[in-house]
Amino acid sequence: NAGVTQTPKFQVLKTGQSMTLQCAQDMNHEYMSWYRQDPGMGLRLIHYSVGAGITDQGEVPNGYNVSRSTTEDFPLRLLSAAPSQTSVYFCASSPQQAATNEKLFFGSGTQLSVL
Amino acid sequence: DQQVKQNSPSLSVQEGRISILNCDYTNSMFDYFLWYKKYPAEGPTFLISISSIKDKNEDGRFTVFLNKSAKHLSLHIVPSQPGDSAVYFCAASPMYSGGGADGLTFGKGTHLIIQP
Repeated sequence: NAGVTQTPKFQVLKTGQSMTLQCAQDMNHEYMSWYRQDPGMGLRLIHYSVGAGITDQGEVPNGYNVSRSTTEDFPLRLLSAAPSQTSVYFCASSPQQAATNEKLFFGSGTQLSVL
Repeated sequence: DQQVKQNSPSLSVQEGRISILNCDYTNSMFDYFLWYKKYPAEGPTFLISISSIKDKNEDGRFTVFLNKSAKHLSLHIVPSQPGDSAVYFCAASPMYSGGGADGLTFGKGTHLIIQP
């Protein structure tokens, strides 16, 4: 049972570079989301999706793009990396669209450093 | 404006004793609350939840208490075990918000350390 798989686990970027953080789930969950966790901070929602073809912004969406072409995959794209995007990124999924009242299943995270 | 507050960044408890982790919230629209547990280099995992129609929910060694009038909830772990050493996040949500930006609001977490 793979659950939610995130790749890569670690990444170092230079300012201005672009990259995509991958997230895949094999539980047929409709709801998927991306969070970032900064030192001394809680998890903050970046973008989310309630199903294939549908995405929306969370609390801190600036500098990130997402797409949801399949139920399984929800990649997060950094268009032009900035040092402020240094963080740990978590992808999460849930079996219900009303995911806020349902427990989320998280991936193991991607630690990103932008120099 | 921090809507979910965990005022203790860390807590040290002796093995076998009770661990009590606290969480306060300010948004009166919150009516569903969850606790997540996180080990280093892993993602958070769901631990226990409670809705506003209850004041207590129990699951084995874990009990969550909700005091709506005080806008306060607490997680009790009895007895504490070494494997309980982790960061615990409190999260809150308005029921049936539809997900997304109105979804879960997380606290900053409390690092629980169980000493042998």
